[in-house]
Amino acid sequence: GNSVTQMEGPVTLSEEAFLTINCTYTATGYPSLFWYVQYPGEGLQLLLKATKADDKGSNKGFEATYRKETTSFHLEKGSVQVSDSAVYFCALSDQAGTALIFGKGTTLSVSS
Amino acid sequence: KAGVTQTPRYLIKTRGQQVTLSCSPISGHRSVSWYQQTPGQGLQFLFEYFSETQRNKGNFPGRFSGRQFSNSRSEMNVSTLELGDSALYLCASSLAGVRDTEAFFGQGTRLTVV
Repeated sequence: GNSVTQMEGPVTLSEEAFLTINCTYTATGYPSLFWYVQYPGEGLQLLLKATKADDKGSNKGFEATYRKETTSFHLEKGSVQVSDSAVYFCALSDQAGTALIFGKGTTLSVSS
Repeated sequence: KAGVTQTPRYLIKTRGQQVTLSCSPISGHRSVSWYQQTPGQGLQFLFEYFSETQRNKGNFPGRFSGRQFSNSRSEMNVSTLELGDSALYLCASSLAGVRDTEAFFGQGTRLTVV
């Protein structure tokens, strides 16, 4: 079945440090891949997405590339800010597009 | 435009009771899906509705049910509540499905079962 594995947190960084959160997936067919972010007390917000192999999703300085050969979709940001502190979820859609399958989430804490 | 609205935001129920949660999607969105979020299991898919039809259901017991109305509003019901049902329940709406159109999430309903 479909599944997503992402690195365990928490990840603690200083402001302006480089961020990588690893995400790998198992899926039948060709899923779309997503990164969602959840700020304290809020629902999830779509951060970026990629719908086919070699696509790069980007938003707010975050990037992730859909790598079919390694079944990965790692999240990166060159310089994190305190405001980036949140929980980040990697996800894929099922083939029919009716469900999102999420990883366990990675808590990022950025200090000034 | 208004976002996804979930009511109530917080609920406290006793074991054995039943509960109904409500979700109003973004205007024009026909797909509504529900997720359970717990510290141990993370985010798990419950079910998805599109134009009043359930298209998919996750691996949850039959105590969990849902429905969608003609105006796309959706409700989920949990009967015979158990302590393990304590969770944040999130609703998401999208135009036609989560693969090709963005899913927008509500703030969730925090259910506590005592």
